[in-house]
Amino acid sequence: DIQMTQSPSSLSASVGDRVTITCRASQSISRYLNWYQHKPGKPPKLLIYAAFILQSGVPSRFSGGGSGTDFTLTISSLQPEDFATYYCQQSYSNPQISFGGGTKVEIK
Amino acid sequence: QLQLQESGPGLVKPSETLSLTCSVSGGSISSSSDYWGWIRQPPGKGLEWIGSIYYSGSTYYNPSLKSRVTMSLDTSKNQFSLKLSSVTAADTAMYYCARDDSGPPQAMIDSWGQGTLVTVSS
Repeated sequence: DIQMTQSPSSLSASVGDRVTITCRASQSISRYLNWYQHKPGKPPKLLIYAAFILQSGVPSRFSGGGSGTDFTLTISSLQPEDFATYYCQQSYSNPQISFGGGTKVEIK
Repeated sequence: QLQLQESGPGLVKPSETLSLTCSVSGGSISSSSDYWGWIRQPPGKGLEWIGSIYYSGSTYYNPSLKSRVTMSLDTSKNQFSLKLSSVTAADTAMYYCARDDSGPPQAMIDSWGQGTLVTVSS
């Protein structure tokens, strides 16, 4: 099984801040890495797939990077609507997928 | 536009079987490019993949739940289902059904149901 580890598990930031979340895979997964945003009461929303490709309609302040075992999700200028929990997910062994533990982005 | 909707009991007794159905509209579960999956989120915890099923009926389960999970398809109703046996309080969670688009270019979960809360309690 491929284990996904995110850090930090939570962070506090202000509107306008640059935020970076890290995701590490237990083995190399090339660029088979997706990012989701999850808000309370709603289903998760796909933000980025294939490590760096922005899903249609997602603001350009979101960006993804990395390959192999180490990946990042960056929000260049945090907006009020970005306060949520973010999850990485590997699709290398699709359909046997796995998620990271999540990173909760809270208001400072 | 693809839509998914979960249905099933919101309360299940310990040791019994949890049964949920996902109704799909705006697309066919017989698509060869898609897997259909279940994902859950226990209160205060992260997302956990439960399992996925292909249009052929092939199933793939999380090893940690494999002994208790059964998934099936009903192509005539455009639905797929989840059964989780011998439930305990640890199975209390929001359960989501979802489409896993296997690509190209890559696999991604691009459609989700709204989720249904299942509580395990006597």
